[in-house]
Amino acid sequence: DVKVTQSSRYLVKRTGEKVFLECVQDMDHENMFWYRQDPGLGLRLIYFSYDVKMKEKGDIPEGYSVSREKKERFSLILESASTNQTSMYLCASRVSTEAFFGQGTRLTVV
Amino acid sequence: AQKITQTQPGMFVQEKEAVTLDCTYDTSDPSYGLFWYKQPSSGEMIFLIYQGSYDQQNATEGRYSLNFQKARKSANLVISASQLGDSAMYFCAMREGLGTDKLIFGTGTRLQVFP
Repeated sequence: DVKVTQSSRYLVKRTGEKVFLECVQDMDHENMFWYRQDPGLGLRLIYFSYDVKMKEKGDIPEGYSVSREKKERFSLILESASTNQTSMYLCASRVSTEAFFGQGTRLTVV
Repeated sequence: AQKITQTQPGMFVQEKEAVTLDCTYDTSDPSYGLFWYKQPSSGEMIFLIYQGSYDQQNATEGRYSLNFQKARKSANLVISASQLGDSAMYFCAMREGLGTDKLIFGTGTRLQVFP
């Protein structure tokens, strides 16, 4: 069974902290994605990666960075968390005709 | 510019009726793919259906079908015989680009099925 696992379901961090959101997939997929989901705005693409050490900016990369050192793991980094980064974060990995999602991480920055 | 547009923030349908959720897209890439996902209140993203830009026939999966009109750049989801369990958010998404495929989503439509 296909699995995309995000390290935390809920996370509370303080403003200014460095935050790591981890995503692991067990399907040997090349493409992985990070989105944030906010009411009324749908899923917005932050960053994506099409291979190890390769990354591309999505539509809203400001304030975020990513790391893909191994094929199965794609990390989202908030260098200095701010309250406007409070959101649901979704990781996905994809083959050509289907994308598989993790369960999401609800991040609250206080 | 918005690449995936879902103009219906909310839709209501009676149980057993069919419903169409609208999606239009914008791309200059000749090779692309279109997806629909369902997100119930539990938050999980459930894949429903996929249509490739070169597919000759409209995709169907059980009660779901995708009304693909390439010239109009629309990819509407049709749900036949609605069930109460179909109440959820529905997202349209597009994959574009060769090699470095980007997957982008619309803002979603909340469907409510009533008895």
